[in-house]
Amino acid sequence: AQSVTQPDIHITVSEGASLELRCNYSYGATPYLFWYVQSPGQGLQLLLKYFSGDTLVQGIKGFEAEFKRSQSSFNLRKPSVHWSDAAEYFCAVGAANAGKSTFGDGTTLTVKP
Amino acid sequence: NAGVTQTPKFRVLKTGQSMTLLCAQDMNHEYMYWYRQDPGMGLRLIHYSVGEGTTAKGEVPDGYNVSRLKKQNFLLGLESAAPSQTSVYFCASSYGVGELYEQYFGPGTRLTVT
Repeated sequence: AQSVTQPDIHITVSEGASLELRCNYSYGATPYLFWYVQSPGQGLQLLLKYFSGDTLVQGIKGFEAEFKRSQSSFNLRKPSVHWSDAAEYFCAVGAANAGKSTFGDGTTLTVKP
Repeated sequence: NAGVTQTPKFRVLKTGQSMTLLCAQDMNHEYMYWYRQDPGMGLRLIHYSVGEGTTAKGEVPDGYNVSRLKKQNFLLGLESAAPSQTSVYFCASSYGVGELYEQYFGPGTRLTVT
C-alpha cells in the first residue's frame, strides 16, 4: 500500500530565508507525486506535480521539488520565503491507474517577519 | 467557471440526525472524491467516483454513503451523525488518470456533531 510521511509537523522560517519541506513516500511502482498548499479556511491548491522525466519540477509561486528515487523523497523548496507563504503544505502520492491519492499529515509553515 | 463548489459551508447537527453534503463541479471531470480533514491527520479519502453512476470506498467509508447520479454532482450522506464525524469535509475532482490526474478542491464544509 502507498503511504506518505511528512516528518516535520511545524516549521518556522524568517521572511527571505530559504525553505525545504520534507516528504518521503512508499509506493511499489513509479509514483505520481504532488505538493498542495492550503491557506487557512481554504481548500487545497496544487503547487506542483511529478509524473516522469526531469526529476526537478517547477511549480507556482516560486516553488520547486526534486524527486529522488533512491531516497524515496520528494522535497519541496523555495529559495526565499514570503510572508504570504504561511500555510499548510501537503505531499501526496498517487496511484494513477486507480485515480486516487494518499496524503501526508501536512506541515504547517509559519513565516517570521 | 466556478470550479468545485460545496454546499453548505457550515452545519451543526445533533447526534443521530442525517444530512447530505453536495459537491458540484463545472469542469466536466470524470473523477470526484470526498475527503475529511482532521487536525494532525491530513486528508483521508472517504469515497470516490470514477464516473457517473459509479462509486467506490476509500480509506474511511464507514458511516457515510455517496451517490453520483449526474456527472457534475457528488453527494455525501450521513444517515445517523455521530460526534466522531465532526470534521472539515472537502470535495475534489479530476479529469482522469495519468498526467490528467490533478485534483481540484472545493472550499470545504465544516460539520459539527453535538
